[in-house]
Amino acid sequence: EVQLVESGGGLVQPGGSLRLSCAASGFAFRSFWMSWVRQAPGKGLEWVANINQDGSEKHYVDSVKGRFTISRDNAKNSLFLQMNSLRAEDTAVYYCARGVTAGAWGQGTLVTVSS
Amino acid sequence: DIQMTQSPSSLSASVGDRATITCRASQGIRNDLGWYQQKPGKAPKRLIYDASSLQSGVPSRFSGSGSGTEFTLTISSLQPEDFATYYCLQHNSYPLTFGGGTKVEIK
Repeated sequence: EVQLVESGGGLVQPGGSLRLSCAASGFAFRSFWMSWVRQAPGKGLEWVANINQDGSEKHYVDSVKGRFTISRDNAKNSLFLQMNSLRAEDTAVYYCARGVTAGAWGQGTLVTVSS
Repeated sequence: DIQMTQSPSSLSASVGDRATITCRASQGIRNDLGWYQQKPGKAPKRLIYDASSLQSGVPSRFSGSGSGTEFTLTISSLQPEDFATYYCLQHNSYPLTFGGGTKVEIK
């Protein structure tokens, strides 16, 4: 069974940093692109970033470029999202998803940016 | 960026009704589109990939069609568990973009 478990969310002040993690199991993690998608409270889904199998190719939505970094550790079946210079508009539930096309999702972790 | 315009934003229907949701892309995206269902407080779940392929385990009352710029998700006979919000996602070019969502409510 495919499992994706996010962690690392919480309350952070504007300008602060947070690192999200996603632990993957039940599939060959190193064979898949991986993605982050977020959802602000009461809003729709927004694709944030994705990364290819060996970490050599990464893509980001414009609003997070230069502030967020996606990475992975295939030896530990883990995906990460380093978030710096956080803004109030980054407040959202962040989901880890398998593949470019998000065929499987984690349960999400809430990030709240507020003073 | 490719804009995905989803309609309607909400629809009210009864159990057993047929429901149709449309996504229009601002430029051609071949069949690089998926459909997702999200229930309140839960993570989204993919229903359809490559515009018309049914995800394993998803009931056959769900179907997808279209290519290029116009796509449709059809639920042939709404069941109580289908009342949820539905999104399309284009993965033809970066940044990937979702439609605004369609909330399917019980009439």
